[in-house]
This record gives sequence, C-alpha cells and structure tokens, in this order.
Amino acid sequence: DVKVTQSSRYLVKRTGEKVFLECVQDMDHENMFWYRQDPGLGLRLIYFSYDVKMKEKGDIPEGYSVSREKKERFSLILESASTNQTSMYLCASSWLPGQGFNEQFFGPGTRLTVL
Amino acid sequence: GENVEQHPSTLSVQEGDSAVIKCTYSDSASNYFPWYKQELGKRPQLIIDIRSNVGEKKDQRIAVTLNKTAKHFSLHITETQPEDSAVYFCAAYYGGSQGNLIFGKGTKLSVKP
Repeated sequence: DVKVTQSSRYLVKRTGEKVFLECVQDMDHENMFWYRQDPGLGLRLIYFSYDVKMKEKGDIPEGYSVSREKKERFSLILESASTNQTSMYLCASSWLPGQGFNEQFFGPGTRLTVL
Repeated sequence: GENVEQHPSTLSVQEGDSAVIKCTYSDSASNYFPWYKQELGKRPQLIIDIRSNVGEKKDQRIAVTLNKTAKHFSLHITETQPEDSAVYFCAAYYGGSQGNLIFGKGTKLSVKP
C-alpha cells in the first residue's frame, strides 16, 4: 500500500513563528503536493513539485514556501505564521501522468492553529 | 483559469435512496476525472475515476458519467447506506506533464437511517 505520512496531526504555533510541515511518501512518486483544506472552499493547491529541487506555485502560494531536497520528502514552510493560515494542511503524492497513473494519495493531514 | 464547479454543496438522502453529485469543468483538454471520498477526520481517498475516452464507469453501487461536449461529469450512488455519509470531491486533471488536479469545493452527503 502507498503510504503518505505527515510529521504532525495537530500543531499549535504563535503568530510570527516559522513553521515546518513535513511530508514523506514511500512509493517513489515523482509528484508531490501541498493543499490547504478549509470548510466550504474544498482543497486548494499551495505548491507542487514534480521532481527533486523543482517546485511550482499552485493557486494560493502567498505566505508559503516549499523544499524538496529528496524525492520522498516535501516540506511546506510558513516563514512567518499568521492567524489566517490556521487550517488543515494535506500532502499528496502521485506518479507522473505519462505512466498512466494520476491518482493522488493523501496523507492524514496536519491541523495547524496559529494563535 | 481552470475551474471545477461542484453541486450541491450539501445533500441529505434517506437510506436506500440514490444520490447524485454534479461537476462541471472549464478546460476542454482535461482528460482524467477522479472522485474522492473524505470521511470525517480522515484523508481523502479515491473511490472512482474516469478518463475522457469513456462515457460511463461503474463499480458496484457507485458510477460516474462523463459528457465531454458539455464538460460535465456526475457521481451516482445507488442504494445509499449510512457509511456513504462523507464529503465527496470531484476533480479534473489539467496541465500537461505535471499531473495537476483542480478540485471542486466538495459535497457533504448525509444518509439518514
């Protein structure tokens, strides 16, 4: 089974803190994604990466950055956390489309609260 | 830009009834349309998907239909059960080689016993 894990299920941080959210997948997937999930807004893409050291902005990249130093690990960074970044953060991974698999496998999510 | 509209946002049905959730997409080049189910407190999981060369796909009580001309696709759940209660997300793939999905905003389905 594909396994996507995230470093924390729940996280509480203070405004202005630097926050790191880690995601690891064990299926050698090329693609990795970070989404933010808010009630009534669905899943919104923050950033994605299709290869090591590659990254692309999604729909809502402002206030976030990412790092992909190894194929299996994709980190989301909040440089200076703000209260409007309180949300559920979901990581996902998938194979490249050229291999015929587009399913995205999700991690369990990190519920971040910024006070 | 690319967009996926999903309706309704909430849906309540009696156990045993059918449920239908509809989505429309904007990018005519989209060729892959998955549906994800997210139970309360859990991660989204793929339940069924359809590719643009197919008009309908069925898996037991769930089916998905695709109308490429109208750019819409639908999820059909028959003989609903309480365990079908969840949030359902449709999505459409776009973007060439990078494997990106655009998700709808979700439908909260409640199945009343």
